[in-house]
Amino acid sequence: ETGVTQSPTHLIKTRGQQVTLRCSSQSGHNTVSWYQQALGQGPQFIFQYYREEENGRGNFPPRFSGLQFPNYSSELNVNALELDDSALYLCASSPEGGNEKLFFGSGTQLSVL
Amino acid sequence: DAKTTQPPSMDCAEGRAANLPCNHSTISGNEYVYWYRQIHSQGPQYIIHGLKNNETNEMASLIITEDRKSSTLILPHATLRDTAVYYCIVRARWGKLQFGAGTQVVVTP
Repeated sequence: ETGVTQSPTHLIKTRGQQVTLRCSSQSGHNTVSWYQQALGQGPQFIFQYYREEENGRGNFPPRFSGLQFPNYSSELNVNALELDDSALYLCASSPEGGNEKLFFGSGTQLSVL
Repeated sequence: DAKTTQPPSMDCAEGRAANLPCNHSTISGNEYVYWYRQIHSQGPQYIIHGLKNNETNEMASLIITEDRKSSTLILPHATLRDTAVYYCIVRARWGKLQFGAGTQVVVTP
């Protein structure tokens, strides 16, 4: 078991709304990264947080933002939702600095109507 | 990060070895080869990684060619539960994971 939990598991929003997805990292892991996976494609890196600071970002617009809390849990916020934001959002945690293995949660399936 | 090339799909008979190829001809000297798999409706799962030497763990073996331009993931005795999409990724030690489309492996009875 990975120990990474994400909530909610499924979510339906309408275009223009805002959404917050949550992730609890595996015990002892201080690095969290977020990925977006569109249907039929591999996951795409959104950003990574290490000790509450963003330390890497993929090719996503500023309306994708995040937070990491002192207990290393994390949130992904998406503003002004677009239809193309419909995807599976995956959270992964890892030990110090994101080295070696990443442990993924089962994801949040977001549908934007 | 370097890109990888994998076959889109392959079938394997249960109990037989599954050999999954991956080409990464532009890999840099500091980049590792990682393999993850994703079973339907789950998040990706780490399998194995290596730099230049062959590696083995309880899940699989990783064979990297001497010039490091290609590698093969070996599942020694495939089971039905190994049906998944397998991703080959090259990554600098502190870098992000860049997933491609992967190889859909179907293990048949």
